[in-house]
Amino acid sequence: NAGVTQTPKFRVLKTGQSMTLLCAQDMNHEYMYWYRQDPGMGLRLIHYSVGEGTTAKGEVPDGYNVSRLKKQNFLLGLESAAPSQTSVYFCASKEVQGLTEAFFGQGTRLTVV
Amino acid sequence: SQQGEEDPQALSIQEGENATMNCSYKTSINNLQWYRQNSGRGLVHLILIRSNEREKHSGRLRVTLDTSKKSSSLLITASRAADTASYFCASNGAGSYQLTFGKGTKLSVIP
Repeated sequence: NAGVTQTPKFRVLKTGQSMTLLCAQDMNHEYMYWYRQDPGMGLRLIHYSVGEGTTAKGEVPDGYNVSRLKKQNFLLGLESAAPSQTSVYFCASKEVQGLTEAFFGQGTRLTVV
Repeated sequence: SQQGEEDPQALSIQEGENATMNCSYKTSINNLQWYRQNSGRGLVHLILIRSNEREKHSGRLRVTLDTSKKSSSLLITASRAADTASYFCASNGAGSYQLTFGKGTKLSVIP
């Protein structure tokens, strides 16, 4: 099992460009999450999904969109990248609500210049 | 805002000493979890404690939970240089699907 795989691992964007980050999990998990991690800020939740076809806003959703067309994939889109979106992005998945752990991808380091 | 807040932000100890990290949270929870992150890597789950539990052990890890104070602590005994990492608490709020994290404690264990 690969677990949670994020693509790409690194990316440099120019301000105003768009891109999509892909998260794929092979554990048949219902819940999936996108976080961003900035120095001194810990992990902040951007968007999450509790099942195929569902998405919801987290703590810092502005400037991002997401889609969960297939259960195993959770896509994070930046329509018009801004320097403030320079960060490390982590995807996580979780089996069900409650007493289960989350599994994380290795992260995507995004720089917007 | 973030659910959990760890304390201290950074901790430096000698190998063999114990390390204690604290976490405070804001709302009622179903459970509280601790994760570890090595530099530049994803987070790895360490231990989960349910809201009706007060203490839990796993190897050299001991977690306590005080729901009346909305706080938890993680104790790592007999620390090793390999324990050097950042440690985060995370919680599932009662009735919430969100898994929210604190800002983390950066632990350095000096050989």
